[in-house]
Amino acid sequence: AQTVTQSQPEMSVQEAETVTLSCTYDTSESDYYLFWYKQPPSRQMILVIRQEAYKQQNATENRFSVNFQKAAKSFSLKISDSQLGDAAMYFCAYRSEGAQKLVFGQGTRLTINP
Amino acid sequence: GAVVSQHPSWVICKSGTSVKIECRSLDFQATTMFWYRQFPKQSLMLMATSNEGSKATYEQGVEKDKFLINHASLTLSTLTVTSAHPEDSSFYICSAGGTGTFLSGSPLHFGNGTRLTVT
Repeated sequence: AQTVTQSQPEMSVQEAETVTLSCTYDTSESDYYLFWYKQPPSRQMILVIRQEAYKQQNATENRFSVNFQKAAKSFSLKISDSQLGDAAMYFCAYRSEGAQKLVFGQGTRLTINP
Repeated sequence: GAVVSQHPSWVICKSGTSVKIECRSLDFQATTMFWYRQFPKQSLMLMATSNEGSKATYEQGVEKDKFLINHASLTLSTLTVTSAHPEDSSFYICSAGGTGTFLSGSPLHFGNGTRLTVT
């Protein structure tokens, strides 16, 4: 079974600075998808970014980018120019190709210091 | 974008009663829906997967008779917590995927969640 590990329960960063959230996963599959979700205090799950395992190019969405290292099974999220609205729980998630369910990591609580 | 509506947002019930939570896909056909449970400051734990027109598949350790899931149409899945007890108090979230979602790698769409408090 696949597992996802987020080793940083909490992180903090100064507003406008850059922060990187770590995520590692364990799988024997070659085709899969990786996601980062954001859960603000409202508890709504919001998709931040996704990465297809067959793509070597790292995904980027505005201030959010990932460092996908397939061999190392690592999928970190970099947030540039941090804003107060970025404060939330961030979950890394894995999904197999053609499979149905998401496997979530434990989450990282990100605090933005003004 | 695809919208998933979950109702109610919060509910308080007495111990021993049953509570039904609805999850609707508003602008797409949800062939599969997922029900998660989330304890405070913890991750989402998958409870069960429901496919339209068939029985739900429950994760190990989840009581099928306590958490009844029905997915009778392509736009509606319900989770009924039967004979609720205080330990069932939690945040429940549904998510839905449409046809081709899994092959394309498209992300699932989440409801806003339901906070259940059993007194």
